[in-house]
Amino acid sequence: GQQVMQIPQYQHVQEGEDFTTYCNSSTTLSNIQWYKQRPGGHPVFLIQLVKSGEVKKQKRLTFQFGEAKKNSSLHITATQTTDVGTYFCAGPGQAGTALIFGKGTTLSVSS
Amino acid sequence: NAGVTQTPKFRVLKTGQSMTLLCAQDMNHEYMYWYRQDPGMGLRLIHYSVGEGTTAKGEVPDGYNVSRLKKQNFLLGLESAAPSQTSVYFCASSSARTGWAPREAFFGQGTRLTVV
Repeated sequence: GQQVMQIPQYQHVQEGEDFTTYCNSSTTLSNIQWYKQRPGGHPVFLIQLVKSGEVKKQKRLTFQFGEAKKNSSLHITATQTTDVGTYFCAGPGQAGTALIFGKGTTLSVSS
Repeated sequence: NAGVTQTPKFRVLKTGQSMTLLCAQDMNHEYMYWYRQDPGMGLRLIHYSVGEGTTAKGEVPDGYNVSRLKKQNFLLGLESAAPSQTSVYFCASSSARTGWAPREAFFGQGTRLTVV
């Protein structure tokens, strides 16, 4: 079945450093979504990418969708303590209607 | 506007007991999902539904059953709970035309289940 893999599993940074998490799919994706889960909370949708090579920005967050639509990345510039949490990518699986999540990257930030 | 509501929020079960987790959404979404979250394992899809009266197996369906008798509700049942089912369970819903890729998913607050 379709698999969505994320690396790294954990990342610790000093406040102000940059952070990147990578997502790779075993199959071509029609779209990819990114979510953030704060400690003790539930996942919250951040963005959806649809087009090959698409790049979208949300303030300090930059999202990219690969040309082959099999990989994606989330880059945070100058991390802040409010960025702490687990970031998940997710893509359609199983006939395109399920939503399969990667294992997530947990970000911790020290000030 | 409640969004996605899960009931209960916490539960402790003894091995072999049964229970039903309820998920209700008020956004008229077609798609609904049940996930379990365990440390280091991310969100794993248990079962999902693309419309009223339909269900499908996800990545880890064994030991669980689901029903979607009404569009707004998605029930997850554990017939005979096992310690391996200790987890945090999340329900989510998403809008989409049936058969198309899901749009953004909205999650409930989660149910923390412990099986002893």
